[in-house]
Amino acid sequence: GQQVMQIPQYQHVQEGEDFTTYCNSSTTLSNIQWYKQRPGGHPVFLIQLVKSGEVKKQKRLTFQFGEAKKNSSLHITATQTTDVGTYFCAGTSGSARQLTFGSGTQLTVLP
Amino acid sequence: DAGVIQSPRHEVTEMGQEVTLRCKPISGHDYLFWYRQTMMRGLELLIYFNNNVPIDDSGMPEDRFSAKMPNASFSTLKIQPSEPRDSAVYFCASSSLIGGGNEQFFGPGTRLTVL
Repeated sequence: GQQVMQIPQYQHVQEGEDFTTYCNSSTTLSNIQWYKQRPGGHPVFLIQLVKSGEVKKQKRLTFQFGEAKKNSSLHITATQTTDVGTYFCAGTSGSARQLTFGSGTQLTVLP
Repeated sequence: DAGVIQSPRHEVTEMGQEVTLRCKPISGHDYLFWYRQTMMRGLELLIYFNNNVPIDDSGMPEDRFSAKMPNASFSTLKIQPSEPRDSAVYFCASSSLIGGGNEQFFGPGTRLTVL
């Protein structure tokens, strides 16, 4: 079955430093989504990427979808303490509606 | 809209007891998903419904787990009998095909502890 790997598992940064998490799928994806889960909270949708090579930005967050539609990345510029949480990628294949979630990257931002 | 509603928010029970988790999806959403989250296994899809019909239950761990969706505004996940290894946070999520979006809206989760 489809597997989605995500690295790193944990990342500690000083406030103001950049952060990147990477996602790799064992199969070609139809689309990839990114979610953020605050400590004690639930996953919250951030963005969806559909096209090969697509790049989207949300303020300090930059999302990329690989040319082969098998990998993706999330980059945060100049992290803030409000960025703390676990970031998950999640992909779908074909016409399926279910998401396969990566293992997540837990981001800690030190003030 | 109030978003996805789950109850109870916390459940502590003893091994062997029946546990029922409840979910009310966002009105108008035609897909409903049940997930389980643990430190060891991450976020796992257990089962999902489309228009109240179970589509894929391959993630349900064993026969002790069952899920129903009697109508568009209510779903249950039942564990009978419960075991300590079932301790986890259980999330319900819903989504809609309208607008072409595929994003899922998660409820606050039910934190289950089985002693």
